[in-house]
Amino acid sequence: KNEVEQSPQNLTAQEGEFITINCSYSVGISALHWLQQHPGGGIVSLFMLSSGKKKHGRLIATINIQEKHSSLHITASHPRDSAVYICAAVKSGSARQLTFGSGTQLTVLP
Amino acid sequence: NAGVMQNPRHLVRRRGQEARLRCSPMKGHSHVYWYRQLPEEGLKFMVYLQKENIIDESGMPKERFSAEFPKEGPSILRIQQVVRGDSAAYFCASSPNRDSTQYFGPGTRLLVL
Repeated sequence: KNEVEQSPQNLTAQEGEFITINCSYSVGISALHWLQQHPGGGIVSLFMLSSGKKKHGRLIATINIQEKHSSLHITASHPRDSAVYICAAVKSGSARQLTFGSGTQLTVLP
Repeated sequence: NAGVMQNPRHLVRRRGQEARLRCSPMKGHSHVYWYRQLPEEGLKFMVYLQKENIIDESGMPKERFSAEFPKEGPSILRIQQVVRGDSAAYFCASSPNRDSTQYFGPGTRLLVL
């Protein structure tokens, strides 16, 4: 079993829909990252959080440390949001390297 | 402030050749991480370096792979005697300290023929 699990693996939405991507982890962590990988392959760091909630534009990330669960929400989705979204955990006691989920392929249709 | 730079962006090698991948971290960043993304697979940690030191290489294959981050110049990931299974995208990320966000480079796509 992977230490970091994401769901769903694939998600197709209509433009304007509210989107949620889930991430569960089975290890102790000091932080959790949400990343976006574009079709061209580049990776952008969206959020790093260790508690609570963060918001940037139409993106919201939440984490529940007790339940070992994080969610990424996209409000008013747009075709340009189409990408692979990856959650990655920083395991407690580690040298801060990332342990990655398998990613969620999001496609937003116009 | 330029982002993380990686070169080359694409590299083609024949089996048995050497591949050298370079990563220049963002200005002021002294922590570098290398990750590998095999075709149709997720990202995996390879090695974490600070200037002149390897901090954690637990994700590096035991043979043919090495990494360095000298006092001057970029970090280098070196793969000797490449095999087809080394074909992948190699990303580096940098951060100013251990507990900060990691910023990713554009990656080097290695193809071994």
